[in-house]
Amino acid sequence: GAVVSQHPSWVICKSGTSVKIECRSLDFQATTMFWYRQFPKQSLMLMATSNEGSKATYEQGVEKDKFLINHASLTLSTLTVTSAHPEDSSFYICSARDRKYNEQFFGPGTRLTVL
Amino acid sequence: SQKIEQNSEALNIQEGKTATLTCNYTNYSPAYLQWYRQDPGRGPVFLLLIRENEKEKRKERLKVTFDTTLKQSLFHITASQPADSATYLCALPTDSWGKFQFGAGTQVVVTP
Repeated sequence: GAVVSQHPSWVICKSGTSVKIECRSLDFQATTMFWYRQFPKQSLMLMATSNEGSKATYEQGVEKDKFLINHASLTLSTLTVTSAHPEDSSFYICSARDRKYNEQFFGPGTRLTVL
Repeated sequence: SQKIEQNSEALNIQEGKTATLTCNYTNYSPAYLQWYRQDPGRGPVFLLLIRENEKEKRKERLKVTFDTTLKQSLFHITASQPADSATYLCALPTDSWGKFQFGAGTQVVVTP
């Protein structure tokens, strides 16, 4: 099946710094990518929908100025957590929708720990 | 949005037995429902999709049923193996553009 990668797989940062997470579709083009957050023992919560070449759409309660999303190409979306705080520590997962076959594939996730 | 309920308690099962997981939802019946497997520290992996007009779907040792009257899907792992130990998530679409709402998942532990 299609492959979605995320980088980095884990990151530890100090409170107040910004962290960028990349999501790439390796062998297909994705017009739409989704960003999820998952806290321990909880379900994946959709944060935002990222469309190539346009602004991201954020779910209710997600601060767009804190979680900056850029979808500059059909194979890359980035999520930047600005001024990270310990409560932002979580597992961030992206998924990419195959433009041609309309299937969705998930990345391996990025573990963010804010000290 | 939907309220999606999956058994929060881990399901401990002996190797070779059948594991049955439930996914209940409260509001509208979706056009389809998906099941995913998630291992610790990893993203979900797609397993099966079942449409509203399908009563049952099978893939190797996996079987999914979908009862829109009961607003429930059942997920079965037959002849379970220790390698099946993972958390299993059900997901319902919330629009036609790929947005999903996930259940919290049920952890399955298969012991030899």
